[in-house]
Amino acid sequence: KQEVTQIPAALSVPEGENLVLNCSFTDSAIYNLQWFRQDPGKGLTSLLLIQSSQREQTSGRLNASLDKSSGRSTLYIAASQPGDSATYLCAFSSLGGYQKVTFGTGTKLQVIP
Amino acid sequence: ETGVTQTPRHLVMGMTNKKSLKCEQHLGHNAMYWYKQSAKKPLELMFVYSLEERVENNSVPSRFSPECPNSSHLFLHLHTLQPEDSALYLCASSVATSTDTQYFGPGTRLTVL
Repeated sequence: KQEVTQIPAALSVPEGENLVLNCSFTDSAIYNLQWFRQDPGKGLTSLLLIQSSQREQTSGRLNASLDKSSGRSTLYIAASQPGDSATYLCAFSSLGGYQKVTFGTGTKLQVIP
Repeated sequence: ETGVTQTPRHLVMGMTNKKSLKCEQHLGHNAMYWYKQSAKKPLELMFVYSLEERVENNSVPSRFSPECPNSSHLFLHLHTLQPEDSALYLCASSVATSTDTQYFGPGTRLTVL
């Protein structure tokens, strides 16, 4: 059974700092990896999707990497802004016909002005 | 807001009530999903529909009954719920179940008294 761990559970940084969020998984038979952000009381917004054949994806100030051999993914946020404050979730889709998605518990990020 | 809408946004119900959650997607997608998000726990996949057929049922109690009348609409019928069923219920859709980004609705905050 796939287990997904996100460390740290919470993070507080000053505005402008570069930061890295970590996500580890136990089953390397993944189909794809997705990073989401969730604002309080809201649904999830997809940030980046990495297929299992890819190593990284970039969108603006965000860069996500995938290392299947070590069972890790990282989300790098450059020049953080207060608007980046949210909970960040990683999710893995497993191989097996239909999409079986396992989410991590999230990292709650606060960027202080 | 994404192209996925959910109603109601908030629902309070007693254990003997029957209610339904509604999800509608305006993205032309063929797959739809129900997730449960409880406090301090990872997001849990409940049901997956592909082209109106249920393709995944993650051992969800029978007091939750999904319905997908067409590819744009998804319902979750609730009856005889328990207080521990209180959670944020999220709907999502994707082009297909295999590899695609999931787009989430804002969720329904359910409280069972």
